[in-house]
Amino acid sequence: EAQVTQNPRYLITVTGKKLTVTCSQNMNHEYMSWYRQDPGLGLRQIYYSMNVEVTDKGDVPEGYKVSRKEKRNFPLILESPSPNQTSLYFCASSLKGGPYEQYFGPGTRLTVT
Amino acid sequence: AQSVSQHNHHVILSEAASLELGCNYSYGGTVNLFWYVQYPGQHLQLLLKYFSGDPLVKGIKGFEAEFIKSKFSFNLRKPSVQWSDTAEYFCAVNAGGGADGLTFGKGTHLIIQP
Repeated sequence: EAQVTQNPRYLITVTGKKLTVTCSQNMNHEYMSWYRQDPGLGLRQIYYSMNVEVTDKGDVPEGYKVSRKEKRNFPLILESPSPNQTSLYFCASSLKGGPYEQYFGPGTRLTVT
Repeated sequence: AQSVSQHNHHVILSEAASLELGCNYSYGGTVNLFWYVQYPGQHLQLLLKYFSGDPLVKGIKGFEAEFIKSKFSFNLRKPSVQWSDTAEYFCAVNAGGGADGLTFGKGTHLIIQP
């Protein structure tokens, strides 16, 4: 089954404790992206990747890192999480960057206390 | 940079009512337009998309949208809503085939009362 998977689905952590949210897709998509969803703000793009070893900042990259060492994986790293990073995070992938349908993962609800 | 405006943040309708959700974008060139739906507790799914051709686009579950270039709009419509249409709806734009993906609106939370 074609899908985007994220782990963990739920995470409660404390300020400053490094964490990684994994994202994996099995569709051989070149493009992958991370979004955060906050009430009243919709989806905002954090980082995206056009292909392996190619990443770029989205609209809200501060406090986040990403890497794209393999085509199928695009982990999101929070080196020192803060409470303002409490949010719902979605990973998405599409065949290529640009006007292609994006397939979304199930989301990761992160709470930073 | 392009932006997307969804005018209605919360909409409450009764079953069988007609629906129209507004979406406007700010980009003067070629655009590719999408509507996504997020049912409670689920991830986003594509409802429909417009790339070119017939400006009236039909999607899944009886939804349609009309691209009006002169108004920079891509409104979502459904003639008769059902309780199961309760969800959050997002309009998204890709400007000019740009490689950086989609810009999303803030979403419209639709509640259908039985």
